[in-house]
Amino acid sequence: DAGVIQSPRHEVTEMGQEVTLRCKPISGHDYLFWYRQTMMRGLELLIYFNNNVPIDDSGMPEDRFSAKMPNASFSTLKIQPSEPRDSAVYFCASSLDEYYGYTFGSGTRLTVV
Amino acid sequence: AQKVTQAQTEISVVEKEDVTLDCVYETRDTTYYLFWYKQPPSGELVFLIRRNSFDEQNEISGRYSWNFQKSTSSFNFTITASQVVDSAVYFCALTQYNNNDMRFGAGTRLTVKP
Repeated sequence: DAGVIQSPRHEVTEMGQEVTLRCKPISGHDYLFWYRQTMMRGLELLIYFNNNVPIDDSGMPEDRFSAKMPNASFSTLKIQPSEPRDSAVYFCASSLDEYYGYTFGSGTRLTVV
Repeated sequence: AQKVTQAQTEISVVEKEDVTLDCVYETRDTTYYLFWYKQPPSGELVFLIRRNSFDEQNEISGRYSWNFQKSTSSFNFTITASQVVDSAVYFCALTQYNNNDMRFGAGTRLTVKP
């Protein structure tokens, strides 16, 4: 398996623009997680899905953030409109079950200028 | 509430030295899971180990070993005979049963010098 695949690896955008981050989990993994990593706040869970259904989105910072999982092999995290404080590395991870170790993607480094 | 504390922000050692990374956790649950992840300079997060709260046996995997002590709420990680390739940020993490908000510690940056 190719592991968890995220795209793009790097994204630079202007404030106010819409940003869409993409993730393909490992086949057969029922859980998908979106994390954000910043120097100030470390690794934060934004949202997670079980069998394509969002279970907990309490970590999503505000209404500008939204996430979808239309099928078992694809998820998106959208920020609209983007702000400079959204600059971070966004990781997607998948897992067989919620208590297993997660397999993380390589991350998307987002810079909002 | 759950919390993970990694008090060591940065550690620097010389190759072949042993090094222990500390992890202290807080949780009210009796059932929980502890993890260690490695984040090398390339940036990805790599899963190293999972431990559940009912299994206090120490574990060894090659040069890596983990010491889980419920009495002190600690889950420490030791690298024996460190190598330059061990240089990375190491994260300890905790998940409570029925609450899939995996909490990560702040991480410990380990630098192994040749």
